[in-house]
Amino acid sequence: SQKIEQNSEALNIQEGKTATLTCNYTNYSPAYLQWYRQDPGRGPVFLLLIRENEKEKRKERLKVTFDTTLKQSLFHITASQPADSATYLCALGVGLNFNKFYFGSGTKLNVKP
Amino acid sequence: EPEVTQTPSHQVTQMGQEVILRCVPISNHLYFYWYRQILGQKVEFLVSFYNNEISEKSEIFDDQFSVERPDGSNFTLKIRSTKLEDSAMYFCASSERDEQFFGPGTRLTVL
Repeated sequence: SQKIEQNSEALNIQEGKTATLTCNYTNYSPAYLQWYRQDPGRGPVFLLLIRENEKEKRKERLKVTFDTTLKQSLFHITASQPADSATYLCALGVGLNFNKFYFGSGTKLNVKP
Repeated sequence: EPEVTQTPSHQVTQMGQEVILRCVPISNHLYFYWYRQILGQKVEFLVSFYNNEISEKSEIFDDQFSVERPDGSNFTLKIRSTKLEDSAMYFCASSERDEQFFGPGTRLTVL
């Protein structure tokens, strides 16, 4: 089955710095990859989607890259703020209809003022 | 802003009982999903639903689970005979295409 690994259990950075989170996957290549934010006790909130034929996607302070050769996606938050502190999840869209999703266990980001 | 709603927010049940978790997806969305998240663990896909039928399901989604869209607005997950290990947060999500909108979840506690 698909295995998804997200780097380290927690990432601590200083406010204003760029946070870089990693998502690695094994086995077959997904049609697309999504990034979500999850706060404690809440449902995931969609942030960005990148397709297999795209190298990079940006949205405000967020940037996602997708390397299907390395089977890796990087998620960057520039000029990080304490309000960015949360758990970030990557999810792979796979299956015959590409609406079956495997989630990583998430990386907890702590942005310190 | 439209949102996915779920009821109840917390359900406590005895082992072996049947439970129905309810969701109201965003009205113009076409795809519906159920996920579960055991405390401290990853979000796990259960099932996706499109055009009034199951589109994909995971290994977790065995015969004790079923989904239904009984009318134009509700989407339900039924667990026929609950086990202790079914205790988890259950999330419903809907999408127009790729971007999924998640509900606030139902916390299921099986005693």
